[in-house]
Amino acid sequence: DSGVTQTPKHLITATGQRVTLRCSPRSGDLSVYWYQQSLDQGLQFLIQYYNGEERAKGNILERFSAQQFPDLHSELNLSSLELGDSALYFCASSVLTGVATEAFFGQGTRLTVV
Amino acid sequence: QKEVEQDPGPLSVPEGAIVSLNCTYSNSAFQYFMWYRQYSRKGPELLMYTYSSGNKEDGRFTAQVDKSSKYISLFIRDSQPSDSATYLCAMRQTGGYQKVTFGTGTKLQVIP
Repeated sequence: DSGVTQTPKHLITATGQRVTLRCSPRSGDLSVYWYQQSLDQGLQFLIQYYNGEERAKGNILERFSAQQFPDLHSELNLSSLELGDSALYFCASSVLTGVATEAFFGQGTRLTVV
Repeated sequence: QKEVEQDPGPLSVPEGAIVSLNCTYSNSAFQYFMWYRQYSRKGPELLMYTYSSGNKEDGRFTAQVDKSSKYISLFIRDSQPSDSATYLCAMRQTGGYQKVTFGTGTKLQVIP
């Protein structure tokens, strides 16, 4: 168990809908990262937060947004969902940012858009 | 062309074999190199990371980085069925926060 908790584990929703994925980082970790994993693209970095502030953005669509709350948990909001958004979404956390610290991944949320 | 290329496999080997997993990359600014193991339906877990060129050994695992060739390797000695998983290489630049770029992963199966 990595100590990173993601909910829900599975989500099935229809096109055009909006969903929220939740991540609780390991105790003491200030950085939270969101990744999307699909079969053909591998792990794609979406966005990083550090202590409540956005630190880096990757290939995140405008329909997607995220935030990190004062208690350090993070939410990833996906809206106007399309079939192509079906993927595994992972959250990872680490103590620091900017150094090669170990990032711990959660179990992921499997999103299926039908 | 992707920044990081990794053969997706699958790679099947008999138990006890030495396994060699490899990635090539195009961005010469990458300085940190990592290997993650991902079991089915689980999140990736960090196996090893190295900084710049050289070798690093941890038990049955050895990571090698050849920056001149932009080539990294992970060797698994005395492979076990429990090593069956997808192995992802990852790398990033140094200084401030830089996103980690992952390979697509190589699926390994170790046959008892």
